[in-house]
Amino acid sequence: AQKITQTQPGMFVQEKEAVTLDCTYDTSDQSYGLFWYKQPSSGEMIFLIYQGSYDEQNATEGRYSLNFQKARKSANLVISASQLGDSAMYFCAMREREGANSGGGADGLTFGKGTHLIIQP
Amino acid sequence: DSGVTQTPKHLITATGQRVTLRCSPRSGDLSVYWYQQSLDQGLQFLIQYYNGEERAKGNILERFSAQQFPDLHSELNLSSLELGDSALYFCASSVGGRGEQYFGPGTRLTVT
Repeated sequence: AQKITQTQPGMFVQEKEAVTLDCTYDTSDQSYGLFWYKQPSSGEMIFLIYQGSYDEQNATEGRYSLNFQKARKSANLVISASQLGDSAMYFCAMREREGANSGGGADGLTFGKGTHLIIQP
Repeated sequence: DSGVTQTPKHLITATGQRVTLRCSPRSGDLSVYWYQQSLDQGLQFLIQYYNGEERAKGNILERFSAQQFPDLHSELNLSSLELGDSALYFCASSVGGRGEQYFGPGTRLTVT
């Protein structure tokens, strides 16, 4: 079974509109972390936002917010007031056993297949 | 700029050859992770080092190996290269095992 599912392979959105990118995850761990990354056509992976499973508040970073619904196992990324520069691939990722080992940590990230977001003027 | 550096940016080599990819983590980060991104497999975690020791293994082939040196830079060695090893190889770093991982710009490997 896939651990991270992104059901939207591609999305077209008008500039200045809000965007929600869907992500559901599957884990039996109690302690895990959820991540969103942006990959523009130039190829680099840009960290956007992080949510720990025990964090009570939804994470926010500028125009990005993470709508974390633990019972539904969903971690959707919301981009407010989209801009042309937001056009890119967006990846949702999870790390299980978050902080399982003191200092050294648990594991690498498991990524979804991504959503290709295109912002239209 | 994430603060993670990777060299070289591009690498073209032939099947059967061996290459070494290098990564320097962000200042203060002790954990280094290696990932492979290919069209058919997507983004896959390969291996993690923390302060010089191997901490976690993902889908890393036996032909691949890595190490982290006392100055915390890391190298990923790929040997007996095959056409299917052509991919973008990323290094990422974090302070420990929690929280954000910051990615380097990647090394694009082409095996001909």
